[in-house]
Amino acid sequence: AQSVTQPDARVTVSEGASLQLRCKYSYSGTPYLFWYVQYPRQGLQLLLKYYSGDPVVQGVNGFEAEFSKSNSSFHLRKASVHWSDSAVYFCVLIAYQGGRALIFGTGTTVSVSP
Amino acid sequence: NSKVIQTPRYLVKGQGQKAKMRCIPEKGHPVVFWYQQNKNNEFKFLINFQNQEVLQQIDMTEKRFSAECPSNSPCSLEIQSSEAGDSALYLCASSLLGGPEQYFGPGTRLTVL
Repeated sequence: AQSVTQPDARVTVSEGASLQLRCKYSYSGTPYLFWYVQYPRQGLQLLLKYYSGDPVVQGVNGFEAEFSKSNSSFHLRKASVHWSDSAVYFCVLIAYQGGRALIFGTGTTVSVSP
Repeated sequence: NSKVIQTPRYLVKGQGQKAKMRCIPEKGHPVVFWYQQNKNNEFKFLINFQNQEVLQQIDMTEKRFSAECPSNSPCSLEIQSSEAGDSALYLCASSLLGGPEQYFGPGTRLTVL
């Protein structure tokens, strides 16, 4: 079965510190993976995507993610967080059976403290 | 930034009432998806369309839920008889044909009293 697991429900970091959010997926074959961010009272915004090739992908606002097929992981990183990075981050897998519905992790809430 | 438009942003209904929400996909995106996000951040895929045709839908939507994407009109999702468990954020997303990325609107937050 296809699934996405985000083991950390909440993460608190200080402004200027580095951030890593973990994501593990279950999928037979090479997955299409995304990270989306949801700010309060807003919809989901695409941060970055991985389809193939270089396992390290760059996204918006200084975010990057690293894909590992051997570990079935797609961890998100940022070198130095800003208070505006406080949001909920979702790791997402696309299911290519049927209509290409997205499979979401349950999200990691990031709080950036001053 | 996504240009998917969803209306209304907030919807409050009593149990048994109809609830209808609309979505205008990004220009040039023929594929539209509806998802339900509950308060625990669990997402449920409901239905998707390619132009006016249903591509895939879950069993739940075949009963109290109905959706359509008529030509030259907003797509819509309607719950015929709302239940408390339907309270959630309903997200509409659109994509290019064959394009994996989905672009989301701000959602309609439904509260069923």
